[in-house]
Amino acid sequence: DVKVTQSSRYLVKRTGEKVFLECVQDMDHENMFWYRQDPGLGLRLIYFSYDVKMKEKGDIPEGYSVSREKKERFSLILESASTNQTSMYLCASSLLVWGPSYEQYFGPGTRLTVT
Amino acid sequence: RKEVEQDPGPFNVPEGATVAFNCTYSNSASQSFFWYRQDCRKEPKLLMSVYSSGNEDGRFTAQLNRASQYISLLIRDSKLSDSATYLCVGAGRDGNKLVFGAGTILRVKS
Repeated sequence: DVKVTQSSRYLVKRTGEKVFLECVQDMDHENMFWYRQDPGLGLRLIYFSYDVKMKEKGDIPEGYSVSREKKERFSLILESASTNQTSMYLCASSLLVWGPSYEQYFGPGTRLTVT
Repeated sequence: RKEVEQDPGPFNVPEGATVAFNCTYSNSASQSFFWYRQDCRKEPKLLMSVYSSGNEDGRFTAQLNRASQYISLLIRDSKLSDSATYLCVGAGRDGNKLVFGAGTILRVKS
């Protein structure tokens, strides 16, 4: 059974703080993703990674960075948190494919509030 | 224009009703399509994949119309437990990135 875990379910940070969100998957998936989900906007891709030390910008990378030092772990970093980064953050993983997609498996999410 | 668009709802239906959701996509290169289900305060989970020929899984039927670039999900004999947000999802040519619609809220009431 695929499991994707995220380091925190709820997080409250102050404006300007550096924030680390961690994600771990146990299925040896090559792909890992970070999304944010906001009401009315759905899931938006922040960054993704096809392999260790590889990263690709998604649709909304501004204000974020990522790190993938090990295959099973993908970290999202907010260098200087701002109130507009208050959101639900979801991590996902999937197999690397060439052609039709495979399912993405999601973690439970981290609800981040920046005050 | 969003790449995947859905009617946000909510759709409020009685138990036992049949309900249908549509979704349109703008990227004609998309090869794969899915419906994900997201319960309140939970993560999205795959409900079913969508094939050109249409596919059925119990009370759920999904169809893809490439000519008109829309995807549909039909739920028959709705149950209270079907209450959730249904996300329409498309994939690009390389298949590794998915594009999510904003979701359609379904509320099934007794």
